[in-house]
Amino acid sequence: SAVISQKPSRDICQRGTSLTIQCQVDSQVTMMFWYRQQPGQSLTLIATANQGSEATYESGFVIDKFPISRPNLTFSTLTVSNMSPEDSSIYLCSVRGSTEQYFGPGTRLTVT
Amino acid sequence: GENVEQHPSTLSVQEGDSAVIKCTYSDSASNYFPWYKQELGKRPQLIIDIRSNVGEKKDQRIAVTLNKTAKHFSLHITETQPEDSAVYFCAASRGNYGQNFVFGPGTRLSVLP
Repeated sequence: SAVISQKPSRDICQRGTSLTIQCQVDSQVTMMFWYRQQPGQSLTLIATANQGSEATYESGFVIDKFPISRPNLTFSTLTVSNMSPEDSSIYLCSVRGSTEQYFGPGTRLTVT
Repeated sequence: GENVEQHPSTLSVQEGDSAVIKCTYSDSASNYFPWYKQELGKRPQLIIDIRSNVGEKKDQRIAVTLNKTAKHFSLHITETQPEDSAVYFCAASRGNYGQNFVFGPGTRLSVLP
């Protein structure tokens, strides 16, 4: 299994600002995924981050709002831009093994 | 695209009783079905999974059954314990590398002492 760490673990941000979340994996992985989990809800995929190419975004998520970087095979960042209270959520990065999927500890974001 | 439904949304059982959570999926091409347990404030953890070439899989007190014809699969927890209290998510995937997992809405299980 992969060991995944995220920074920050939580943050409180003001409306209109941006926050960058970092995800570090202990092994090289081709694909990394970013999920959002709103309070009391299920996991929703934001985008798939591929090393060496642009991220692939799911319906309802756009690059201007959630820019993603993937500079190498063990690291990725997700930025939540121009935040509003509706962006208050837990953001999780995830990697895929052969079939199993592993999740980072999450970043709890509160926008005031 | 794939759609996964999950029932019930909440479930309370007495300690020692069994709990069953059911999921249905829409994409007949899905062939990998994991179950995740998420305790409060923690990340989702894989607890068991099943592939479409298998009808049932057990791991101690946990079992998963799959009915491909009806496109549903179920999680069975026997001899429940308070530490089983958590939110459980099912998911479905085509299993190919890179294919997205579609998660069900979750079931909040409470095991009452």
